[in-house]
This record gives sequence, C-alpha cells and structure tokens, in this order.
Amino acid sequence: DAGVIQSPRHEVTEMGQEVTLRCKPISGHDYLFWYRQTMMRGLELLIYFNNNVPIDDSGMPEDRFSAKMPNASFSTLKIQPSEPRDSAVYFCASTFGGMAVGNEQFFGPGTRLTVL
Amino acid sequence: AQSVTQLDSHVSVSEGTPVLLRCNYSSSYSPSLFWYVQHPNKGLQLLLKYTSAATLVKGINGFEAEFKKSETSFHLTKPSAHMSDAAEYFCVVSLYSSASKIIFGSGTRLSIRP
Repeated sequence: DAGVIQSPRHEVTEMGQEVTLRCKPISGHDYLFWYRQTMMRGLELLIYFNNNVPIDDSGMPEDRFSAKMPNASFSTLKIQPSEPRDSAVYFCASTFGGMAVGNEQFFGPGTRLTVL
Repeated sequence: AQSVTQLDSHVSVSEGTPVLLRCNYSSSYSPSLFWYVQHPNKGLQLLLKYTSAATLVKGINGFEAEFKKSETSFHLTKPSAHMSDAAEYFCVVSLYSSASKIIFGSGTRLSIRP
C-alpha cells in the first residue's frame, strides 16, 4: 500500500483565494483525520470522519474551513477565503477502528500551505 | 479532563549516550498512550503505544517507554542515541474508545551531537 497520500505537497496562494487540500486514506481504513501543525499551536485535530461521515468538527477554526469525504477513498479540506494566519502544515491521517485500544494512526506527508 | 505535557521542548545528547524524553499525562479514564516521531518534512510515525497491557513498552529503533500510573508518566528512553534519531517526538494521549479525545503534546525536538 502506498500509505496516506496528500496533494499538493506545497501550496502558495494569496490572501482571499480558495485553497483545496486533498487526501487519499489507506484502503480499508474507516477513520480519517485532518490536523493542522503550526509553531505557535503545535498539532491540532481539526475534524475526523468515520465511514465518510463527519463525527467531530469542533477543531475547525471557523466557517472559512470546510471538509468533505464523498467516498471512502477521498477527502478534501477547503479554506475559503484563505488568510495569512492559515499558513501551516496540514496533515491527513487514517486508521481502522479509530483510536480505541491503541489503533495506530497513519499519517500522510502533509501539505505545507503558505498564504501571502 | 485529559492533558499531556512534554516537559522539554528541546533535548540535546551526544551520539552513543542515553536519551530521555519526558511526558506526563492527565486523564480521568484509562488512557492509551503513544509516542510518535516526526522527521523533518515528513509525517508522523508511530514509535510505540501503551494500551493497558505490559507497562514497559518496546518500540521501533530501540526506543522504549514505561507507563507509571503513580507518577502519571510515560517517558521515552533509548540506551544509545544515533544520529538518525534527530527528530521531533510527540507524546499522545487518547481516551479509550473515543476517537475524538486525542491530545498531542507540544513536542520535543531531539538533537544528536556527533
């Protein structure tokens, strides 16, 4: 298996533009997580899905952020409009069975977003 | 309430010497505890995990951690550091059976001196 795939790896955009980050989880995994990593705030859980359904989006910073999972093999995180403070590395992770009994999360390589 | 505290933001050791990365947690329930490693420009990778079985947990690359309930600690150790161990290390606490209760520590950057 290729692991969790994220695209693009790097994104540079201007303030006000729409940004879409993409993730393909490991086949067979039923949980998908989106994280944001910054120097100031560390690693934050934004939202997670179980069987394509959003379960907890309490970590999504504001309405400019939205996430979808139209099928088991694809998810998007969209920021519209983007702002400089959204600059961060965004990670996608997947697992089977959630975090119960210590199931490992498998992380993608991340998307480094820079908003000018 | 759950929380996790990594006591050192940066640890520097000489190659061949022991490594100790400290982690304390707070949880009202029996937690699962993890250590993840992040190499530069990479995603996180699981080093080891504790899930209420053996309190001494062995992981990859010679790392191990001991769960001490009385001290609410889950420190990560390695007897002899290697240059390739230079990375960021995250302690993670997860509430058993609840995927939404996942908390990452702030991370410890490990540097290895030649």
